[in-house]
Amino acid sequence: AQSVSQHNHHVILSEAASLELGCNYSYGGTVNLFWYVQYPGQHLQLLLKYFSGDPLVKGIKGFEAEFIKSKFSFNLRKPSVQWSDTAEYFCAVNARNDYKLSFGAGTTVTVRA
Amino acid sequence: NAGVTQTPKFRVLKTGQSMTLLCAQDMNHEYMYWYRQDPGMGLRLIHYSVGEGTTAKGEVPDGYNVSRLKKQNFLLGLESAAPSQTSVYFCASSYLGKVYEQYFGPGTRLTVT
Repeated sequence: AQSVSQHNHHVILSEAASLELGCNYSYGGTVNLFWYVQYPGQHLQLLLKYFSGDPLVKGIKGFEAEFIKSKFSFNLRKPSVQWSDTAEYFCAVNARNDYKLSFGAGTTVTVRA
Repeated sequence: NAGVTQTPKFRVLKTGQSMTLLCAQDMNHEYMYWYRQDPGMGLRLIHYSVGEGTTAKGEVPDGYNVSRLKKQNFLLGLESAAPSQTSVYFCASSYLGKVYEQYFGPGTRLTVT
């Protein structure tokens, strides 16, 4: 079974700072990788996804993530955060041909105005 | 189009009581899931269903039962609630073959005293 670890539990930033959230997974086979976001009081929603091809994927709201296969990592980045990026971010992994997603523990990001 | 809805939004139970959480989706999705979200542990899959009349265990199924008698509904039952089941429960659904793109409900906050 696959597992996902997120490096940071809580990150506090000022507006315009750069953000990078780490995500590592353990699984020997082919995987699909995702970042989900949960804004305060809202549902989880898909931020971006990686299946194959270009390892640098772009998502909504200026977020991007890079898949480094040799490091089993899928880190999320944003060059300049806004107060509205305050949310909880979850990395998730899906083994190909599996019905399930495995989520990391989540990282709470607080952006101070 | 309401998406994924959950009933109730909040509930307080005493130890040993039973209850059923209802999830409904109007997107004609084949797959449905129940997760629990606990601080520092992310989302953990309780049970899931890949179609009407079928259910399967996820990562943390003990103490829960599920049923999917209709395609649009997925019920999560707690037969004898325990304080360890205090959590936020999320239902999700997805299309056949798109297990990664899950649509989440608003959650049910359950407290067991």
